Amino acid sequence: AQSVTQLDSQVPVFEEAPVELRCNYSSSVSVYLFWYVQYPNQGLQLLLKYLSGSTLVESINGFEAEFNKSQTSFHLRKPSVHISDTAEYFCAVTRTSGTYKYIFGTGTRLKVLA
Amino acid sequence: NAGVTQTPKFQVLKTGQSMTLQCAQDMNHNSMYWYRQDPGMGLRLIYYSASEGTTDKGEVPNGYNVSRLNKREFSLRLESAAPSQTSVYFCASSVAVLSYEQYFGPGTRLTVT
Repeated sequence: AQSVTQLDSQVPVFEEAPVELRCNYSSSVSVYLFWYVQYPNQGLQLLLKYLSGSTLVESINGFEAEFNKSQTSFHLRKPSVHISDTAEYFCAVTRTSGTYKYIFGTGTRLKVLA
Repeated sequence: NAGVTQTPKFQVLKTGQSMTLQCAQDMNHNSMYWYRQDPGMGLRLIYYSASEGTTDKGEVPNGYNVSRLNKREFSLRLESAAPSQTSVYFCASSVAVLSYEQYFGPGTRLTVT
């Protein structure tokens, strides 16, 4: 079975400061990894994903995440955050084959302060 | 394209009442899903439909039933609502079960008193 841990439930950070949102996963089989973002009163939107290839993946709005197989991590980073990045961020995993199951972490609420 | 739409947006039920949450997608996706979101617990899969005509249980199916009415529509029914079913419900769709990216609706906020 797979599991996802997001240790930080809330992360406050000042505007233009860097941020890292941590995600660790556990799985006995190969997985694909995702970050989704949820803005207030909206559904989730895909931010970025790792399927294969380069372990560093980037989004169009400046976020990046690095897949680290040895540490079973997929941390999300941004070098300079904006007020509009205030949202809840969810890490998720799914197996690369076999029975479908999409497992979400408990989420990290990022609050960007002026 | 409207994407994934859900009705209603808000609903208050009394314990024991029944209701159906509606979901529709206009992206010609094969797979559809129902999740519930609770504080501190993230999203948990209730049921999913890999393709028209099939449905399968997810992590937390007890107390719910689903119907894949056609390729576009996937409804979630609560036969006898309980306070433990107070939650925000999200419908999602994807091209296929293994196509990885899911598209989410805006959610239904359900309160059971």
